[in-house]
Amino acid sequence: GENVEQHPSTLSVQEGDSAVIKCTYSDSASNYFPWYKQELGKRPQLIIDIRSNVGEKKDQRIAVTLNKTAKHFSLHITETQPEDSAVYFCAASISRGSTLGRLYFGRGTQLTVWP
Amino acid sequence: DSGVTQTPKHLITATGQRVTLRCSPRSGDLSVYWYQQSLDQGLQFLIQYYNGEERAKGNILERFSAQQFPDLHSELNLSSLELGDSALYFCASNPPDRTDTQYFGPGTRLTVL
Repeated sequence: GENVEQHPSTLSVQEGDSAVIKCTYSDSASNYFPWYKQELGKRPQLIIDIRSNVGEKKDQRIAVTLNKTAKHFSLHITETQPEDSAVYFCAASISRGSTLGRLYFGRGTQLTVWP
Repeated sequence: DSGVTQTPKHLITATGQRVTLRCSPRSGDLSVYWYQQSLDQGLQFLIQYYNGEERAKGNILERFSAQQFPDLHSELNLSSLELGDSALYFCASNPPDRTDTQYFGPGTRLTVL
């Protein structure tokens, strides 16, 4: 099956700085890559996603890039704020056959933004 | 609020017991996915149902079972509970026209003592 690796496991930045989280995946058939933000004890919340026919997507301070050749994708958060502090998960999905839709998650990145 | 509901919020039980977790997908969504989140295993896919039928199975133990009912709510049954089953259990659903996008419910925190 698919294997998703995520780095770094922890990330501390000063308010206003940028944060970058990187993920790699193993199965070239993966074609959907969402990012989730999870605050302590709460549900994973979808913040942005990208599909394999697109190289980059941006939503305000958040952007995601995808390199299909290298099989890696990254989350970029600019002008970080203390409320961005949370655990961020990347995931990959292979939309084919009986495995349609199931998400393979990375291990998460604890982002801390210091005021 | 994602529109996915889960009950109960918390569950505390003893080893060897059996519990049932309930999930209702967003209105109009036909799929339900179950995930387990623990500190050592991370977020792991358990099982998927689509319109009442099992669609895919992940790392689900034989002691665990699930079903999706005609009204599309789903139940995850965990039996012969062990300490290691303590975790957050999430369900998710996706809209029929975007079968890759999943919205998660608030989760059920299971504590096995």
